Amino acid sequence: GEDVEQSLFLSVREGDSSVINCTYTDSSSTYLYWYKQEPGAGLQLLTYIFSNMDMKQDQRLTVLLNKKDKHLSLRIADTQTGDSAIYFCAEIFTGGGNKLTFGTGTQLKVEL
Amino acid sequence: DTEVTQTPKHLVMGMTNKKSLKCEQHMGHRAMYWYKQKAKKPPELMFVYSYEKLSINESVPSRFSPECPNSSLLNLHLHALQPEDSALYLCASSTTGGKNIQYFGAGTRLSVL
Repeated sequence: GEDVEQSLFLSVREGDSSVINCTYTDSSSTYLYWYKQEPGAGLQLLTYIFSNMDMKQDQRLTVLLNKKDKHLSLRIADTQTGDSAIYFCAEIFTGGGNKLTFGTGTQLKVEL
Repeated sequence: DTEVTQTPKHLVMGMTNKKSLKCEQHMGHRAMYWYKQKAKKPPELMFVYSYEKLSINESVPSRFSPECPNSSLLNLHLHALQPEDSALYLCASSTTGGKNIQYFGAGTRLSVL
């Protein structure tokens, strides 16, 4: 199966850390991605991780990958109001013909 | 430059109209994609072009007709659409191997009356 699931909603206070979770079912994934979508806009690539890595850090963003549990997370440090958006995880796998499978999306709301 | 440009940004059309959506990229990518996105839902893949040839058609109704005239351009021709086709249409491009990072345009917001 190719289901990729995320929790629908997350609310945090400005300055706190946010953790957005994603579970996937396809163990043959090669790359996993995090995209951000602000209202009325397209998808912006935030970061990606190769399936043989456990962790990747990029400024305020930390991606953790647990292949055994098929669990991916995105941590945003010092969350700001500009981080309010919908976040999608996505996976691509060898032999999938460049086909991205998106998660259901998590709406992040940052409160003052 | 990781820009994918889509025009128009907004489009309103009647069910008998014919219109086209356009997408352009100059990153040298040889894979281009059309997605349909409903509000607060993930994008749904419609078509994939690889080296200007249609490689994936996700059982999209024939009232949507894609075209890839060259490696930088991707069109989506629309004819006899239904109100339920109203959505955000996103174009993306990527390399055909390696990280396969797909870069998205800002989308065309389509309303079918």
